[in-house]
Amino acid sequence: NAGVMQNPRHLVRRRGQEARLRCSPMKGHSHVYWYRQLPEEGLKFMVYLQKENIIDESGMPKERFSAEFPKEGPSILRIQQVVRGDSAAYFCASSLASPRLYNEQFFGPGTRLTVL
Amino acid sequence: AQSVTQPDIHITVSEGASLELRCNYSYGATPYLFWYVQSPGQGLQLLLKYFSGDTLVQGIKGFEAEFKRSQSSFNLRKPSVHWSDAAEYFCALPIGVQGAQKLVFGQGTRLTINP
Repeated sequence: NAGVMQNPRHLVRRRGQEARLRCSPMKGHSHVYWYRQLPEEGLKFMVYLQKENIIDESGMPKERFSAEFPKEGPSILRIQQVVRGDSAAYFCASSLASPRLYNEQFFGPGTRLTVL
Repeated sequence: AQSVTQPDIHITVSEGASLELRCNYSYGATPYLFWYVQSPGQGLQLLLKYFSGDTLVQGIKGFEAEFKRSQSSFNLRKPSVHWSDAAEYFCALPIGVQGAQKLVFGQGTRLTINP
């Protein structure tokens, strides 16, 4: 049973280009979370999605960032017109959808974005 | 505000020595709390979790943590560290509504092991 998969693992972009980060959740998971880890910092929540719905995007920058989780296929975090400050590790996590008090989040290996 | 603080950015211990990593939280009710470990270039692995009940929680790799409500703390401990424990450790607090919670992380503590 494969875990959470993210690709690419490393991504290099020049300023002004677009970055697309992909996340395939664990089998049977329909909730996806994206977190960003800036250098020398902890992880910060960005967005929480269910299939075809954005549930909480309170951590997303107002401009240039978007996320989707289509009915079929992986979740995509898209960064338009990247700037050097976007250089970070981006982690995806997935969980089950159940009414339990807490659904454990399982993390992928991350995508390390470098903006030149 | 709901938050997690890890006061120690970097800790160095000798192999075989005991370890305690500090975590303090701010939350209006009894929290759930987690400790994660991140090895260099890797994702996060859950070490242990506290939901309720017994305040001393056992985890993987010989780690344990103790929840102390009076001190708003959830410190991670290990009696004898191994060189392979060198990593970054994060304390985390889930917030939000039932079944749909995001994690709030501390700043992390980087652990270095001296041979």
